[in-house]
Amino acid sequence: NAGVTQTPKFQVLKTGQSMTLQCAQDMNHEYMSWYRQDPGMGLRLIHYSVGAGITDQGEVPNGYNVSRSTTEDFPLRLLSAAPSQTSVYFCASSYSWGGYTFGSGTRLTVV
Amino acid sequence: GENVEQHPSTLSVQEGDSAVIKCTYSDSASNYFPWYKQELGKRPQLIIDIRSNVGEKKDQRIAVTLNKTAKHFSLHITETQPEDSAVYFCAASKGAQKLVFGQGTRLTINP
Repeated sequence: NAGVTQTPKFQVLKTGQSMTLQCAQDMNHEYMSWYRQDPGMGLRLIHYSVGAGITDQGEVPNGYNVSRSTTEDFPLRLLSAAPSQTSVYFCASSYSWGGYTFGSGTRLTVV
Repeated sequence: GENVEQHPSTLSVQEGDSAVIKCTYSDSASNYFPWYKQELGKRPQLIIDIRSNVGEKKDQRIAVTLNKTAKHFSLHITETQPEDSAVYFCAASKGAQKLVFGQGTRLTINP
């Protein structure tokens, strides 16, 4: 059981570039979420999904897209990177009754 | 939407003493309240959670209490040890989807 796997672990982007952060889980969890973590701001919810084909916006969705074509995968797309998107990104998954498990995170720097 | 406030932002206690962290939530429909511990450079890890049909839950030195009327819940750590030093996050959601986090508390245990 790998749990929640995020790739890449580190990434540097130039302003305006696009990229996809990958997230995969092998626990057959229904729920998956993306968070960003900035100093002093805690964990802020970007997008979440309650099952394949179902996604919804969280607290800070602007500039990000998601899709969930399978139970296992939940990629996060940055459409046109901005310096304000410099952050640590965490993917998490859980059963419908709770107990989110987090991935190891992606540290993204936009220059 | 849900809003979670967490206090204090920093907490320093002597080894062996107790630590208490408090959170308030805004949405009376929220019914799932987990607590996470995050060590420096690591991912958040679930340490305990409580649902709205329960007023208190204990797991060894950790306990969580919930007051639905006042919309607040607290984490209690007894007999603190140096390895308890970390950042602690509370969170709230309805049915474990769209989990919203507090801003975090940096707990330092002084030897």
